[in-house]
Amino acid sequence: NAGVMQNPRHLVRRRGQEARLRCSPVKGHSHVYWYRQLPEEGLKFMVYLQKENIIDESGMPKERFSAEFPKEGPSILRIQQVVRGDSAAYFCASIRGGAYTGELFFGEGSRLTVL
Amino acid sequence: GDSVTQMEGPVTLSEEAFLTINCTYTATGYPSLFWYVQYPGEGLQLLLKATKADDKGSNKGFEATYRKETTSFHLEKGSVQVSDSAVYFCALGPGAGSYQLTFGKGTKLSVIP
Repeated sequence: NAGVMQNPRHLVRRRGQEARLRCSPVKGHSHVYWYRQLPEEGLKFMVYLQKENIIDESGMPKERFSAEFPKEGPSILRIQQVVRGDSAAYFCASIRGGAYTGELFFGEGSRLTVL
Repeated sequence: GDSVTQMEGPVTLSEEAFLTINCTYTATGYPSLFWYVQYPGEGLQLLLKATKADDKGSNKGFEATYRKETTSFHLEKGSVQVSDSAVYFCALGPGAGSYQLTFGKGTKLSVIP
């Protein structure tokens, strides 16, 4: 499967715990987006990363959320001290970079449930 | 800022019915426009796109025309199938100086036999 791989697909955490969501982009893609989908709502942009560089994090909550895309390995979205309002589906999407066509290749999402 | 407004769902149609899902947008400049589809339990997939005014995007029997004068990009299909049941998202972007796609809230379509 050469598509975007996200894991875990489902994650349950208790309030105050940490959640780590991983995303491996399409092979050859160097840029990654994270979007959040709340129940009954559309996708909300969170962050746009290039390997070893955050390009745009204007959609990230100021506290508890962080993202990285290291030179080697998957992109990680980290949520510290989770609260019930963090329950959502988190989607990663990748693009090759360079000339931007606007087509994003999405993973199947990680569904976080906070108890 | 940029925004996308889609018709509220859910939409329920019988097989072979005609489908229209309305989408209007607000943006500076002339962004590209997209329709993405999300099947149950899956991520979003690009359905079709249009990059400039009067362009028509088409795929799998779906069509949408980029109308600058009405700032619209309505999705249509002449005869829906049960397999078209999914959530459809209209999106625009990226705008000048931005890397983001802006998505609408999505419209859930259910097609019954």
